Amino acid sequence: GDSVTQMEGPVTLSEEACLTINCTYTATGYPSLFWYVQYPGEGLQLLLKATKADDKGSNKGFEATYRKETTSFHLEKGSVQVSDSAVYFCALSDQGGFKTIFGAGTRLFVKA
Amino acid sequence: GAVVSQHPSRVICKSGTSVKIECRSLDFQATTMFWYRQFPKKSLMLMATSNEGSKATYEQGVEKDKFLINHASLTLSTLTVTSAHPEDSSFYICSARSATSGLAKNIQYFGAGTRLSVL
Repeated sequence: GDSVTQMEGPVTLSEEACLTINCTYTATGYPSLFWYVQYPGEGLQLLLKATKADDKGSNKGFEATYRKETTSFHLEKGSVQVSDSAVYFCALSDQGGFKTIFGAGTRLFVKA
Repeated sequence: GAVVSQHPSRVICKSGTSVKIECRSLDFQATTMFWYRQFPKKSLMLMATSNEGSKATYEQGVEKDKFLINHASLTLSTLTVTSAHPEDSSFYICSARSATSGLAKNIQYFGAGTRLSVL
């Protein structure tokens, strides 16, 4: 079945460092891909999305490109801030949009 | 943007009691709502999917008699944890998806979650 694999955390970075969180997926057809962020004690918020191959999703300085050839959707940010500390979930939604499958989540700590 | 309100945000109850959690879509009609359970430092586990006016579809291993889901209207779904026990303590999150125009169809909008503690 469909699945999402993302790098294990926690990831600890200093402020202004570069961030990459790897995400790969297996799916039949052409899923939509997402990154969600969860701040402490809160629900999930959609960070960015891409719906087809080579699409780049971007928001708040974060970017991810839908790579069908490598079945990847890595999350990147050039300069992280303390306020970016959160758990990041990679996810895919099947073609019909009926079900979303989440990765295990990667916790990011950014130190001042 | 679309807003999903989940209430209560935190509940503490005694073992054996039932707890109801509400999930409301405030500015759109949610044809489908999802209920997730999240264990500490773990990902979200889908419990069930509910469509307005029909019975919920439960994931394998989720007890439908224990976790009662009602999706009576296009803006409200409820999850009732019946006869709660300490092992039911968890973070429960709902999400809603709209099939109407104006909102991306494949996007789920999440509530802020409910932390349930059963003593």
